[in-house]
Amino acid sequence: EVQLVESGGGFVQPGGSLRLSCAASRFTFSTYSMNWVRQAPGKGLEWVSYISSSNSTIYYADSVRGRFTISRDNAKNSLYLQMNSLRDEDTAVYYCASLVGPSYGMDVWGQGTTVTVSS
Amino acid sequence: SYELTQPVSVSVALGQTARITCGGNNIGSKYVHWYQQKPGQAPVLAIYRDTNRPSGIPERFSASNTGNTATLTISRAQAGDEADYYCQVWDSSTSGVFGGGTKLTVL
Repeated sequence: EVQLVESGGGFVQPGGSLRLSCAASRFTFSTYSMNWVRQAPGKGLEWVSYISSSNSTIYYADSVRGRFTISRDNAKNSLYLQMNSLRDEDTAVYYCASLVGPSYGMDVWGQGTTVTVSS
Repeated sequence: SYELTQPVSVSVALGQTARITCGGNNIGSKYVHWYQQKPGQAPVLAIYRDTNRPSGIPERFSASNTGNTATLTISRAQAGDEADYYCQVWDSSTSGVFGGGTKLTVL
């Protein structure tokens, strides 16, 4: 079964940093574009960032641009999200999700990792 | 930035048909994807590219997209269909956009 597993969430003070990871198994990770999507407590889904299969194309939501950095290591079947200058409003469950191609839906999701930003 | 509008909640009687709408400016010119999210679980892709069902999604789930409105239709609604449903598009191929989500209640 195709699987994505996030890790790295935790509790951090405003202004702090965290690095999330997403480990892929049982699918050809290097052929999929990947995304991070988050969900604040009791709220809806918010797309955060996209990276193409070859690392050549990256997009960010306006709310995180300049503070978050998406990256991937296809040799390790892993996706990352470096989050700096964290704010209270970044508190959310963060999901990684795969994308088979442009204009497709996100077909495989991890179980999510929780990030809490609070003083 | 592009916006998608969904009703906050929709109710349907057991065995009847539920319709969840997703409004956006000329949304018919974009591909719309639908996700189902049950409490405490990750989202699941229910419909992709307007009308396509991934494997494992029941045929009771269908969708359409035209003009300014996309619609997810759930026929013969079951208790297990109770969930939050989100529509999603890619805006100008550079950003993902989700609707605010619709809570489906099966009465």
